[in-house]
Parts: sequence; C-alpha cells; structure tokens
Amino acid sequence: ELKVEQNPLFLSMQEGKNYTIYCNYSTTSDRLYWYRQDPGKSLESLFVLLSNGAVKQEGRLMASLDTKARLSTLHITAAVHDLSATYFCAGESNFGNEKLTFGTGTRLTIIP
Amino acid sequence: DAGVIQSPRHEVTEMGQEVTLRCKPISGHNSLFWYRQTMMRGLELLIYFNNNVPIDDSGMPEDRFSAKMPNASFSTLKIQPSEPRDSAVYFCASSPGAAEKLFFGSGTQLSVL
Repeated sequence: ELKVEQNPLFLSMQEGKNYTIYCNYSTTSDRLYWYRQDPGKSLESLFVLLSNGAVKQEGRLMASLDTKARLSTLHITAAVHDLSATYFCAGESNFGNEKLTFGTGTRLTIIP
Repeated sequence: DAGVIQSPRHEVTEMGQEVTLRCKPISGHNSLFWYRQTMMRGLELLIYFNNNVPIDDSGMPEDRFSAKMPNASFSTLKIQPSEPRDSAVYFCASSPGAAEKLFFGSGTQLSVL
C-alpha cells in the first residue's frame, strides 16, 4: 500500500525567504499531485506531475518529481503572506487506478 | 460551471441518527470521490466511482457507511447509525479521468453528538 510522507509538518518562515517542502512516497508511482488548502476551506489543485523529471511552476511555487528517488519537492521562492496555507502532496497507488493517497500536509505560515 | 456542489455544508446530529451527505459532480466528469478529513487521520479516501460504478471502496470504515451514485450527476454518502467518531469534514471531488486533477467540493462539516 502506498504511503506518502511530507516534511516538515509545520513551517514558519519570513516573507522574502525561500524554502522547500519534501514529499516522499513508498512505492512506484509515476504521478504526483500537489494541493493547497486554506483554513476552513476546500482543497485546490496546484500541480499535476506525470513523469520522472517533471517540473512545473506557477508564480512563486515550483514543483518537481524524481520517481527514482520517490521524491517530489515544492519550492517556495520569496515567500509572501498569501502563500500561508496547508500544502498536501498525493500519489496514485497503481497506474490506471485513480485512488490518491494524501500526505499529512505541511502547514505553512508566512510571517511579515 | 458551479463546481462540485455538496450539501449540507454543516450537519449536527445525535448519535444513532442516520446522516446523508449529497454531492453533485462537475458535468462531464467521469470519476467521483468521497474523502474524509480529520486532524488525527488526515485525508482518507472512502470510495470512488468511475462512470457511476464503485471502483474502490476499501476505505469505507465499516458497514455503517454506504455510498451510491445512481446517475452521473448525483452521489450520496450515508452513515447509519452515526457515531461521535464519525465527526469530520467529508469532501466530495470529481475529475475528468485518470491523471487529471481532482476538483473538490466545499465539504460537509459533520458533528455527531
């Protein structure tokens, strides 16, 4: 069964700084997803990474996938307060099976 | 499109009562998912449907939980009888198909007293 681990669980960082959230998964998975959740709100899709070496960027966020290392990263550049949220990664258990297993989430707080 | 629509937004009930959560997926999406979110267990997939057929229900906690998708535009998740440990936020999500992102509804906050 696929296990997805994120670290750190909590991250407090100052505006303008850079940081990386890590997502490790336990079994072969070619696809990795990142979601954002604001407090009391629903989840919003950020990135879909479909192959080894995939890199996607949107604004100050950049996600990458290394399937050989079973690792995905979410890099935050020059953080701003609006990025404060909980970030989840999720992996698919088996090719063709849409079942997503979510990580525990990283609660990010950007301090002015 | 209005997105994935869930109802009710909040439900407070007493232990032993039946609870029914409802979901309308985005039109044209082939897959529908029910997730449960708690502080202790995070986000758990309960069941998912593809073309109205249940594909994986291994996450359904026990027989008290049941889900149906009678047509492409409607799904229900029923808990009977409800217990305090069922208190959680229940999310419905839909997607166009494999390797596509999920679109989540606003969730139903369930409190069982």
